[in-house]
Amino acid sequence: NAGVTQTPKFQVLKTGQSMTLQCAQDMNHNSMYWYRQDPGMGLRLIYYSASEGTTDKGEVPNGYNVSRLNKREFSLRLESAAPSQTSVYFCASSTTGGYTEAFFGQGTRLTVV
Amino acid sequence: AQTVTQSQPEMSVQEAETVTLSCTYDTSESDYYLFWYKQPPSRQMILVIRQEAYKQQNATENRFSVNFQKAAKSFSLKISDSQLGDAAMYFCAYRSGQGAQKLVFGQGTRLTINP
Repeated sequence: NAGVTQTPKFQVLKTGQSMTLQCAQDMNHNSMYWYRQDPGMGLRLIYYSASEGTTDKGEVPNGYNVSRLNKREFSLRLESAAPSQTSVYFCASSTTGGYTEAFFGQGTRLTVV
Repeated sequence: AQTVTQSQPEMSVQEAETVTLSCTYDTSESDYYLFWYKQPPSRQMILVIRQEAYKQQNATENRFSVNFQKAAKSFSLKISDSQLGDAAMYFCAYRSGQGAQKLVFGQGTRLTINP
C-alpha cells in the first residue's frame, strides 16, 4: 500500500549543485503536484500535471523544472540550487474530479548551503 | 488566479472546547471544491473535510464541520470538543472544477490544544 513515494527524504546541497526529486504514485491518478512548504507561507504550488504528457506552472516555478515521465512518475529538478530553495518539498496526486482527495508523499527536506 | 487566505497564523483552545479556523478564497469560477487538511508533526497531510461549491449544505465529519458562505467566499472550520490529538497545522485548500484542476493551499493555521 505505497500510495505516493518521494525520494530522497533528506538532502543537503551546495549552492549551484543540481538534483532531481523523484515522485511515484501507484493509485493510477491522472493529476500530480509539486509543492514547497516554508514557515508562514503554507504549501505553494510549484508545478502540476493534469495528465501524462502535460505540465503547468504554479505559483513559484522559477528555478525548477519538471518531467511527467509516465502516468506514475513526476520528477522535480533543481538545475542550480540556491539557498532560497531550502524548503520541505511535497509531491501529491489525485484522480481527475475536483471533489477527490489528494494524497501526499512524506516530504523531502532540502537544505541548500 | 485563485488564492486562499488564512488570516490566523496561530490559534489555541482548551481541551473539550470549540474552536473555529478561518479561511477566505478568491475566485471567479462557479465550479470548485474546498478542503481542510491537517498536518501533524509527522508532516503527513490528512484530509479533514471537503465541500462542493454547488452544495449549500455545510459538510460535517464527526467533530468537524464547516461554515461555507459562498457569496462571502468564506470557508471556516469548526472543531468541537477539541482533543489533544487535534493539535496540528491546518490548511485550507481550493480546487478548480474545470480545466487542469490545480489545487491551491492557504498559509496554514497552527492549532494548539491546552490540557
